[in-house]
Amino acid sequence: KQEVTQIPAALSVPEGENLVLNCSFTDSAIYNLQWFRQDPGKGLTSLLLIQSSQREQTSGRLNASLDKSSGRSTLYIAASQPGDSATYLCAPRSYNTDKLIFGTGTRLQVFP
Amino acid sequence: DTAVSQTPKYLVTQMGNDKSIKCEQNLGHDTMYWYKQDSKKFLKIMFSYNNKELIINETVPNRFSPKSPDKAHLNLHINSLELGDSAVYFCASSQQQGAGNTEAFFGQGTRLTVV
Repeated sequence: KQEVTQIPAALSVPEGENLVLNCSFTDSAIYNLQWFRQDPGKGLTSLLLIQSSQREQTSGRLNASLDKSSGRSTLYIAASQPGDSATYLCAPRSYNTDKLIFGTGTRLQVFP
Repeated sequence: DTAVSQTPKYLVTQMGNDKSIKCEQNLGHDTMYWYKQDSKKFLKIMFSYNNKELIINETVPNRFSPKSPDKAHLNLHINSLELGDSAVYFCASSQQQGAGNTEAFFGQGTRLTVV
């Protein structure tokens, strides 16, 4: 059974800092891994999708890496801004069951 | 031009009532999901449908019955609502594995409050 853990659970930083959000998963038989952000009271917005054969994926100030064999993914946020404040969720997609299993999330606050 | 849309956005109802949440996607995806987000913000999968067929049914009470009239719609009907059903329910869609881009997209959620 896939279990997903995200560290840290919460993070509060001044704007301009480069950030690292960690995601670990127990079952490496994944098809891909997706990172989302969720603003309070809102739905999930897809940020990045990494296929199991890829090592990293970039979109603007965001870079996600994947080490499938060790069950880890990392989301890097460069030059953080107050608008980045949200909860960030990772979700590996199981190869066998086709389920996206979510982590517990990292709640990020970036203050001016 | 919302990709995955759910209605209603908010639903307040009394215990014992029956209610439905509708979901539609216009992305041409063949797989749709229902997730439940509890008060601790943890997202847990409930159901998955592929081309109108049930694929995943997690340990969900049979008071919850999904219905997929076509592959663009996956509705969730809940009978005899209980206080513990209060949560935010999210619908999502994606292509199935091996069918190209499998990025999953989520609706804005339906906040269900049972009083």
